[in-house]
Amino acid sequence: GQQVMQIPQYQHVQEGEDFTTYCNSSTTLSNIQWYKQRPGGHPVFLIQLVKSGEVKKQKRLTFQFGEAKKNSSLHITATQTTDVGTYFCACYNQGGKLIFGQGTELSVKP
Amino acid sequence: EAGVAQSPRYKIIEKRQSVAFWCNPISGHATLYWYQQILGQGPKLLIQFQNNGVVDDSQLPKDRFSAERLKGVDSTLKIQPAKLEDSAVYLCASSSNRGPRYTEAFFGQGTRLTVV
Repeated sequence: GQQVMQIPQYQHVQEGEDFTTYCNSSTTLSNIQWYKQRPGGHPVFLIQLVKSGEVKKQKRLTFQFGEAKKNSSLHITATQTTDVGTYFCACYNQGGKLIFGQGTELSVKP
Repeated sequence: EAGVAQSPRYKIIEKRQSVAFWCNPISGHATLYWYQQILGQGPKLLIQFQNNGVVDDSQLPKDRFSAERLKGVDSTLKIQPAKLEDSAVYLCASSSNRGPRYTEAFFGQGTRLTVV
């Protein structure tokens, strides 16, 4: 079935550095969603992208959907300690199932 | 708007015992999901309901796991008998997903299961 692969698995940054996580699929995606899970918490929706080449911004977060709709990225500019957590990409496959990637765990050193 | 409610928050059982989790989705949400999240991994979809029908349960270990969604609202997930590898957080989520558009999933706080 359809899968989304995320890299890297872990990322440790100094506060103020940038961070990027990538989500890749071998098949064309109809949509991509991003979620954030704080330590000990539950996934919280951040954004959904549906159009080829789409770029959306939320303050310091920039989300992109690839032209071929097979990959996506989340970029955080000037990380803060509040950005700590695990970032997941997810997509609805053709059967309507919501499938999650393995996540990228971000730690930020003050 | 009330969120997704799950209970209990924590459960410790011995292997071979049974356990049940309960989920009350956001009012009006047609789609309900049960995920298993093992520490350090992404949520793994166990079963997805659309109203009271099953969309997919291909990842549900049916020899020990069962789930139902009563009247298309509340849902229960049961494990009988439990194994050590079932130790995980069980997350329930719901989404409106009406028509052809897919919407965001709202998650409950989860139930942390420890099998000893």
